[in-house]
Amino acid sequence: RKEVEQDPGPFNVPEGATVAFNCTYSNSASQSFFWYRQDCRKEPKLLMSVYSSGNEDGRFTAQLNRASQYISLLIRDSKLSDSATYLCVVTGNTGGFKTIFGAGTRLFVKA
Amino acid sequence: NAGVMQNPRHLVRRRGQEARLRCSPMKGHSHVYWYRQLPEEGLKFMVYLQKENIIDESGMPKERFSAEFPKEGPSILRIQQVVRGDSAAYFCASSPTTDQPQHFGDGTRLSIL
Repeated sequence: RKEVEQDPGPFNVPEGATVAFNCTYSNSASQSFFWYRQDCRKEPKLLMSVYSSGNEDGRFTAQLNRASQYISLLIRDSKLSDSATYLCVVTGNTGGFKTIFGAGTRLFVKA
Repeated sequence: NAGVMQNPRHLVRRRGQEARLRCSPMKGHSHVYWYRQLPEEGLKFMVYLQKENIIDESGMPKERFSAEFPKEGPSILRIQQVVRGDSAAYFCASSPTTDQPQHFGDGTRLSIL
């Protein structure tokens, strides 16, 4: 089983749609969680950190479920500019520090 | 406040040559990470360094690859005797502590002829 797993997609949605991505992780001792977005041939950019209490930033909502070991990202009112690959990132200090990037979920938002 | 600076942006080498990739972390960041990304694939962790120390190099090939982060100057990822399979985008990231998010540089696109 991969340490961090994401559905690769692609998710094809119309503008204005709501779309949700999940990401599961295998290490129960993982400590910090993030969502990044990566545009084609560009560097990953931090979208938001994920906290146990959940957090919201405009149209984006991230949640963490430690019991089931997954994090989620919800995008409301999708825009064309949301088209990108969304990367789930998990960090922890068990057996040495580790940051694991998921392989990413591709999103295409169409007019 | 400048972000993570990587250079060069593009690097072309012939098989057998050496490639040196540089990364200056954000100001105040002492943790540096290197990743490799092949076309249409995800980021693969290579090495994590904290000023003068390699903390985790589990993702870096044992041969031909080395990394350093000297007390003064940028972090360097060195690839000796490059082969075609080394062609990829190499990204550097930095963070102030290990549990804070990493910020990425623009990457170096390495092409091997």
